[in-house]
Amino acid sequence: QKEVEQNSGPLSVPEGAIASLNCTYSDRVSQSFFWYRQYSGKSPELIMSIYSNGDKEDGRFTAQLNKASQYVSLLIRDSQPSDSATYLCAVGDSNYQLIWGAGTKLIIKP
Amino acid sequence: DAMVIQNPRYQVTQFGKPVTLSCSQTLNHNVMYWYQQKSSQAPKLLFHYYDKDFNNEADTPDNFQSRRPNTSFCFLDIRSPGLGDAAMYLCATSRVRPGQQETQYFGPGTRLLVL
Repeated sequence: QKEVEQNSGPLSVPEGAIASLNCTYSDRVSQSFFWYRQYSGKSPELIMSIYSNGDKEDGRFTAQLNKASQYVSLLIRDSQPSDSATYLCAVGDSNYQLIWGAGTKLIIKP
Repeated sequence: DAMVIQNPRYQVTQFGKPVTLSCSQTLNHNVMYWYQQKSSQAPKLLFHYYDKDFNNEADTPDNFQSRRPNTSFCFLDIRSPGLGDAAMYLCATSRVRPGQQETQYFGPGTRLLVL
């Protein structure tokens, strides 16, 4: 059974600090990794995709991938109250589907 | 702007009364997905179409069916909704190339309420 694990939270971070979200996955052959943000009552919205080991930066967001350790993380710098949401980690499988984590609820405290 | 559109955004139906949810896309993606998402849970894949090829997840109830009449449109039919089918239904699309899973783009979702 392919699995993606995330801490459900809530993760509470002060405004302006760095939020760190983590995800582990079970399928060693996975090649594509995604972070989605989902506000309450809304649909998931892509934040970052990453395919190679290392870091990928986009504005205040940095995705980190370590295939040897089978984990992927998302860092949010200078956290804003508008970043408060549930963050879903998704991992691509060999059947062009995504295996989803249950999400981490992030709360940014002003 | 290229996008994924879902209609209606909110659907109220009665127990056992059939309902159809629609999805359309202007992205010209070859794969379309239907997910069910309940509160505080991960999206659960119900079906997907790779071009015209229909793929049903093993644990998708028979009560759920889908149609894709052309590249742009996909429908989710719930033949006899039960109270447990109340959820957000998400349509997503993706451009799949051999060996690589591309990003899935989601529509705004349809919130289904069963009375």
